[in-house]
Amino acid sequence: DAMVIQNPRYQVTQFGKPVTLSCSQTLNHNVMYWYQQKSSQAPKLLFHYYDKDFNNEADTPDNFQSRRPNTSFCFLDIRSPGLGDAAMYLCATSRGKSFVQYFGPGTRLTVL
Amino acid sequence: QQPVQSPQAVILREGEDAVINCSSSKALYSVHWYRQKHGEAPVFLMILLKGGEQKGHEKISASFNEKKQQSSLYLTASQLSYSGTYFCGTEGQGAQKLVFGQGTRLTINP
Repeated sequence: DAMVIQNPRYQVTQFGKPVTLSCSQTLNHNVMYWYQQKSSQAPKLLFHYYDKDFNNEADTPDNFQSRRPNTSFCFLDIRSPGLGDAAMYLCATSRGKSFVQYFGPGTRLTVL
Repeated sequence: QQPVQSPQAVILREGEDAVINCSSSKALYSVHWYRQKHGEAPVFLMILLKGGEQKGHEKISASFNEKKQQSSLYLTASQLSYSGTYFCGTEGQGAQKLVFGQGTRLTINP
């Protein structure tokens, strides 16, 4: 089945220790999104790629970076995680503007 | 700017109806509705495009009034499986992204 896959599902890291979250898709969608969702809050867009074009949200901290080496994969790098970065990180894909966004299951990040 | 959803929470008995509203201060191109259960990813329900359309399937429908920049989600004869948090996501003119409302938590009791 075509889907959006995120690995790992749970990630524990130490304060300041870099971490990478991965997302892959078999839908062949042009757009890939990374959202951060904290408890009882709405998903907050960090950045998105339209094909290879990277679009960063103005309020996304510099601590967060992303890579999209090909259509299928997208990575979220957190260079120096702080306690406030503990959250669920959701990857989503879409064919483009005004199309459905399909979400992966998310990676729950814990920072100790 | 984040759209505003109302109410913030609703508690219903199985079989009752509910309406969730989503309002934006900006001109909208589309409104998306998603449902998220605790600990899971959001699941798509429907998209409404500008043109004042109304959509629905089974007992869940929605409307979009582009002049008022408002959308409403209608849940009819609610089932236990409808429980979760409902988010509207709004897409502005020229944007390729969604901004999600703060969510409406729906609880359905037997």
